[in-house]
Amino acid sequence: DAGVTQSPTHLIKTRGQQVTLRCSPKSGHDTVSWYQQALGQGPQFIFQYYEEEERQRGNFPDRFSGHQFPNYSSELNVNALLLGDSALYLCASSRRIEKLFFGSGTQLSVL
Amino acid sequence: GNSVTQMEGPVTLSEEAFLTINCTYTATGYPSLFWYVQYPGEGLQLLLKATKADDKGSNKGFEATYRKETTSFHLEKGSVQVSDSAVYFCALQSGGGADGLTFGKGTHLIIQP
Repeated sequence: DAGVTQSPTHLIKTRGQQVTLRCSPKSGHDTVSWYQQALGQGPQFIFQYYEEEERQRGNFPDRFSGHQFPNYSSELNVNALLLGDSALYLCASSRRIEKLFFGSGTQLSVL
Repeated sequence: GNSVTQMEGPVTLSEEAFLTINCTYTATGYPSLFWYVQYPGEGLQLLLKATKADDKGSNKGFEATYRKETTSFHLEKGSVQVSDSAVYFCALQSGGGADGLTFGKGTHLIIQP
């Protein structure tokens, strides 16, 4: 049984560009959450998707948006990239509000 | 708003030493509390949790007690091993489990043989 998978593992972009990160949840899970982990910091909650809708959102600007597909997989989109968006982006899945399982993350570098 | 404060690292101990990693929190209501561990090159894993005051979470020899009076959830282990070397994160969740997690900054634990 595959766990939470994220792609790509690493990504380099330049300021002003747009990026899309992808996440496939663990089998049987219907809820996907995204977190941003800056270097030396704990993860920060971006948003959560359930039934293809954004259910909860953390303190992130509208440049951060997402989507959940009928197969429960999810995308995180970031527009107009800033240097400060450089971070490890973590996806976590769960069956509704049960235990979270985290992926290994996508390391985004903005130059 | 919610916040979590945990001791700065790195924390370096010898094998078989006693471990304490302090964690205090600020939250509205009655949050659930968690310890997550991140081994090198791997994703975050839930280590243990407690959902109400005086609950004790335990796993793999680690334990932590939810202390509402001191708003703390300190992680302890009686005898650490080299394999316990990792980054440990304290976290809380409000909203009955529907809200996102609020994490501390993490504590890097290094165990020397």
